[in-house]
Amino acid sequence: DVKVTQSSRYLVKRTGEKVFLECVQDMDHENMFWYRQDPGLGLRLIYFSYDVKMKEKGDIPEGYSVSREKKERFSLILESASTNQTSMYLCASSSNYLDRPPLGSYEQYFGPGTRLTVT
Amino acid sequence: GENVEQHPSTLSVQEGDSAVIKCTYSDSASNYFPWYKQELGKRPQLIIDIRSNVGEKKDQRIAVTLNKTAKHFSLHITETQPEDSAVYFCAASLYSGAGSYQLTFGKGTKLSVIP
Repeated sequence: DVKVTQSSRYLVKRTGEKVFLECVQDMDHENMFWYRQDPGLGLRLIYFSYDVKMKEKGDIPEGYSVSREKKERFSLILESASTNQTSMYLCASSSNYLDRPPLGSYEQYFGPGTRLTVT
Repeated sequence: GENVEQHPSTLSVQEGDSAVIKCTYSDSASNYFPWYKQELGKRPQLIIDIRSNVGEKKDQRIAVTLNKTAKHFSLHITETQPEDSAVYFCAASLYSGAGSYQLTFGKGTKLSVIP
């Protein structure tokens, strides 16, 4: 079974703090993604990475950065947290190859999410 | 970039009835269309996906249809059961290079199945 884990389920930070959210996957997946989920807005892509040290901006990268130093780990960084970054953050991973699990699919596997509150 | 519209935002059906959720996408180059189900307090999970070279795909009570010309795709759930109650997200995907697909999600449909 694919396992995607996130460092915290709940996090409370103050405005201006630097925040690190970490995601680890154990399936040797090439791709990793960070989304934020807000009521009525669905899932919006912040950043993704298709290889170690590679990153691409998603739809809403402003105020965020990422780091991928190892294949299994993808970190989301809020350099200076603001109240409008209060949200649920979801990490996901996927394989590039149809002959690897999950066979025949480009399924993204999601982590359990981190609910971040910035006060 | 890609834009995905999803309707309706909420849907209530009686147990045993069918449910249909519709999505449209804007970029004709999109070629992969997954559907995710998110139960309350849980992570989204893939329930079915379709690639652009296929018009329809079925998996037991769930089916997805794709109309490339009209740029819309739909999720059909037959014989709904209370455990089908969840938020459903459609997505459209462009191949973004280096083997990766970037998903653009719809805003979600909250399906309630009334026993």
